[in-house]
Amino acid sequence: QQQVKQSPQSLIVQKGGISIINCAYENTAFDYFPWYQQFPGKGPALLIAIRPDVSEKKEGRFTISFNKSAKQFSLHIMDSQPGDSATYFCAASDSNSGYALNFGKGTSLLVTP
Amino acid sequence: ETGVTQSPTHLIKTRGQQVTLRCSSQSGHNTVSWYQQALGQGPQFIFQYYREEENGRGNFPPRFSGLQFPNYSSELNVNALELDDSALYLCASSPGVGTNGETQYFGPGTRLLVL
Repeated sequence: QQQVKQSPQSLIVQKGGISIINCAYENTAFDYFPWYQQFPGKGPALLIAIRPDVSEKKEGRFTISFNKSAKQFSLHIMDSQPGDSATYFCAASDSNSGYALNFGKGTSLLVTP
Repeated sequence: ETGVTQSPTHLIKTRGQQVTLRCSSQSGHNTVSWYQQALGQGPQFIFQYYREEENGRGNFPPRFSGLQFPNYSSELNVNALELDDSALYLCASSPGVGTNGETQYFGPGTRLLVL
C-alpha cells in the first residue's frame, strides 16, 4: 500500500518556469516530510524538508508548501534550470518508526532550454 | 557528497545465490537504513539498525537480513536470490538524535542484477 502518493509522474517545464510537484498522505502520524532529488546512477540527495508545524519553507529556488488539514504537500522549483532535470521524490516519516522513509513513486522533471 | 559509501557499485548474481552488500556511514551516525529501489520506482524501506540492533523492518521477507558494526559500517545480506531482487540497493545514515536527527543521507547505491 502506497502511503505517499505523488503526481505528476513526469513534467516538462521551460527554462525559467515554475515546476510544481504534489504529494498526498494518509497517515496522520507522519511528522517529517523531505524531498529528495535523484540523478541517474546516483543516490537520492536531500533537497529540503518540512515539519507540519509550518505551512511553508523556502530554501533558495525551492519551496515546500504544506497543508496539514488536506494532508498534502508540494514542491515548487522557481526559475527552473536545465540542471534541475532529475527525478524528484517526496517522502514522509514519523518518530514512531525511527523515521523510516515512505517514498512517493517519483516525478521525472525535464527542463528544456 | 554525503560521506556515505557503498560497495560494490555493481553486482551480477544468479537466482538462488546469496549476496552481501556493504555500506560505510558518516562518522557519528548511529542509525543506518537500507532501501530497495526498483527501476522507475521510489525506494522501499527494508530495515533500519540503531546501535547494532534492528530497529524496524519494512515488508521484506526474512531472507533479507542485516548487520551493523561499531565502526559505522553495515551489511545487507540477501539469501536465495530471486529475479525480482534485481534493483538498486541504497543505504542511508542518520544521526538518530538531536537537531535534524531524522535526516537521512544516502549513499550512491549498489546495482544488483539477478539472472
